[in-house]
Amino acid sequence: EAGVAQSPRYKIIEKRQSVAFWCNPISGHATLYWYQQILGQGPKLLIQFQNNGVVDDSQLPKDRFSAERLKGVDSTLKIQPAKLEDSAVYLCASSLPSGGPNTGELFFGEGSRLTVL
Amino acid sequence: AQSVTQPDIHITVSEGASLELRCNYSYGATPYLFWYVQSPGQGLQLLLKYFSGDTLVQGIKGFEAEFKRSQSSFNLRKPSVHWSDAAEYFCAVGAAGFNKFYFGSGTKLNVKP
Repeated sequence: EAGVAQSPRYKIIEKRQSVAFWCNPISGHATLYWYQQILGQGPKLLIQFQNNGVVDDSQLPKDRFSAERLKGVDSTLKIQPAKLEDSAVYLCASSLPSGGPNTGELFFGEGSRLTVL
Repeated sequence: AQSVTQPDIHITVSEGASLELRCNYSYGATPYLFWYVQSPGQGLQLLLKYFSGDTLVQGIKGFEAEFKRSQSSFNLRKPSVHWSDAAEYFCAVGAAGFNKFYFGSGTKLNVKP
């Protein structure tokens, strides 16, 4: 079974530029999450989708961050314009509906490391 | 408010020695608790989880964790550490319905030969 795919793995941009990250979850996983992991910290949820609807985006800085999951499968996270403090690893995760043997388990991609200069 | 505290930022143990990583949580209802491991350059992988029942849960790679409600703790243990266990470990608490997860700040484990 293929895992969660993310691209690009690494991106270096200057402040005020824009960047986009792509995620393709595990087939059949209805829930998709974007997390921000700043060096030395645990993952912080940015946005959660259930199919193509937003479940939680309360911690997404909406003045600069946007995300979409148009067909309920893959997703794109965009930052425009980027700030220095956006330097982090952006992790995508997906999960199955609760009730099965994988209940509660998040399956993570390898992440996209962003450096803002 | 929900929160997870991992008091140890870094831990170094010798190969073959036992390991305990601490995790304390704050959650208003019955917690669903998880331990994840993150190797360098990799995403997080689930080690084990606790939902209910036996408070001692077994996970992959020889890890176990014990839920202690009275102490609001869910410490991770391994009787004999291998060099390949060097990684960062994250404790997480999940809300009912599994639609929200809160992660601790992580503990980085170094293993001495």
